Amino acid sequence: AQSVTQPDIHITVSEGASLELRCNYSYGATPYLFWYVQSPGQGLQLLLKYFSGDTLVQGIKGFEAEFKRSQSSFNLRKPSVHWSDAAEYFCAVGAPPNNNDMRFGAGTRLTVKP
Amino acid sequence: DSGVTQTPKHLITATGQRVTLRCSPRSGDLSVYWYQQSLDQGLQFLIQYYNGEERAKGNILERFSAQQFPDLHSELNLSSLELGDSALYFCASSPMTGHYTEAFFGQGTRLTVV
Repeated sequence: AQSVTQPDIHITVSEGASLELRCNYSYGATPYLFWYVQSPGQGLQLLLKYFSGDTLVQGIKGFEAEFKRSQSSFNLRKPSVHWSDAAEYFCAVGAPPNNNDMRFGAGTRLTVKP
Repeated sequence: DSGVTQTPKHLITATGQRVTLRCSPRSGDLSVYWYQQSLDQGLQFLIQYYNGEERAKGNILERFSAQQFPDLHSELNLSSLELGDSALYFCASSPMTGHYTEAFFGQGTRLTVV
């Protein structure tokens, strides 16, 4: 089955600084890729998704991610972090064409310093 | 609000007992995924159903079972409960009609086994 690795368990950034969260996937072809965010005590909210086409995808809340096939990566970025971005971020991979067997990484907890 | 409803929100039960968690997917969504989220295991994929049939299976224990009914709601049954089963259980649903489908998550059921 496909799998996802998020190498950073916890990241701390200052408010206003840029952010990059790493995600590496394992899958035999081009998968479906997702980033979700989870605030404390909440469910998971989809930030953005990649199915095919343009490798730079835009999401909600000013986030973007870039699919790099050669590196099997789908890193999440934001140019300027806000205090409200503090949360847990999960990268996920699913098998086309119907997003079967969707697997998640272990998550990266983001702390934002004032 | 994602449109995915999970009941109950909280559940406290004793070891050795059996519980049933319920998930109502978004209107029209044919697929349901179940995940277990615990502090030490992250977000673990348990099982996926599509239109009443099992589509993919993850790290689901033999003590756990699930089904999807004709009205598309799904139930996750957990039996012979152990302390280690305490976790947040999420359900997600997806249209899975055609390509490019994403999953929408419920708010979860927090299970505490005492």
